[in-house]
Parts: sequence; C-alpha cells; structure tokens
Amino acid sequence: EADIYQTPRYLVIGTGKKITLECSQTMGHDKMYWYQQDPGMELHLIHYSYGVNSTEKGDLSSESTVSRIRTEHFPLTLESARPSHTSQYLCASSSGTQNTGELFFGEGSRLTVL
Amino acid sequence: KNQVEQSPQSLIILEGKNCTLQCNYTVSPFSNLRWYKQDTGRGPVSLTIMTFSENTKSNGRYTATLDADTKQSSLHITASQLSDSASYICVVSDRGSTLGRLYFGRGTQLTVWP
Repeated sequence: EADIYQTPRYLVIGTGKKITLECSQTMGHDKMYWYQQDPGMELHLIHYSYGVNSTEKGDLSSESTVSRIRTEHFPLTLESARPSHTSQYLCASSSGTQNTGELFFGEGSRLTVL
Repeated sequence: KNQVEQSPQSLIILEGKNCTLQCNYTVSPFSNLRWYKQDTGRGPVSLTIMTFSENTKSNGRYTATLDADTKQSSLHITASQLSDSASYICVVSDRGSTLGRLYFGRGTQLTVWP
C-alpha cells in the first residue's frame, strides 16, 4: 500500500472560505501531483512539482495554488472557494529515478462548496 | 477529443464470469500504458504496465494486452469477484518530455453482482 496521505478526506464549506488540502508522502519521491476528478470524467492535472521549491501549473486551469517547501509535503490552497471548485482532488507522487509513469495516489479529498 | 478512449463506459457482470475492458489511444509517441483500478472513494492503484515491446502481461486474474500497431489495449478479468467492482482507468505515457506526460481515459465502471 502506498504511503501517501491526504487530509481532509471530506470537506463541506461555504463560498468565499479559504481552504488547504494537505498531502504528504513518506516514500521520498521527488515528483508530486494534484489531479482533479469529476464523476465519469478523466483525471485532470492541475499542479505538479519536480522537487523542493519547484511547482508548475498543469493542463487544467485552476485557481488553486501549491507549495513545495519539503520533499514530503505538497499542500494545495484555494484562497476563496466557489461552488465550481466542488470536486474530488487526488494527490499523487512518483519516483524521480524512473520514467515508467507509475503514480502512487492518496485516497483523495472530496470538496463540496455550498 | 480525448486521446485515450475506453469502452464500455460501464459494465455489469455476475460473480465468477470473465470480462474484457478496452482502451484505444492516439497518443504519439508512445512510452507505456498502465491500467489502474480505482475503488469507490479511494485513489487509483496500478495493476500493470505495458511497454512498446510487450504484448501480454498478467497480474493474478488480470491480463493486459497491447497492440502497439493498432494502438489498442485490453484488460481481461478472469473469474470475477465482488471485490473487482471498481473503475478501471487506462493511462498512456508519451515520450515527449523527460517527465513523460500522462493521458487518462475516463474509465470503465465495473460492477460485479453476486
């Protein structure tokens, strides 16, 4: 089982609130990712990081921001949540020493913005 | 248009029966193809990886095939169990960058009935 953890698992908040989704991994992986997943749709990459102090935006435009101050930690922040941000957010990591594309996923954070 | 198409979108089978899930892709160049299993409320977990030179690979009751000429892959599940109920996601990696961009299918939702 992968050692990557997300909190909270479920979050219901009101519009305009600031939220941070936490993601931590203990595998020492250099690469970390945030994906957005809606029912019946493919995963969309919203942010990724190659290592400490490295962050990039993904394919899907997102109003969220991320930081990578420590190798094991990759939090995602929404400064002002809106109903359109309601979705499942999946954090993943992969080893920087191989390019086989295997991702190790956390269990996800399901966000509902009212 | 998504570069990874999966069929069927959903499938219901009885416990003990076999089934085959399909994945067609247009991603080029091609590096590898992975099948992930995503249980409800969990993150995806890798089942198998197929590289360009591989035609068939098994992982227990799961057998993946790849035809790189026609750009098709299948995942065959033998003697299905209730625990096989999940979404199965096909993910294709290209060689376009050192990171190897990933292209996700929308998944096939498999339900196994007793």
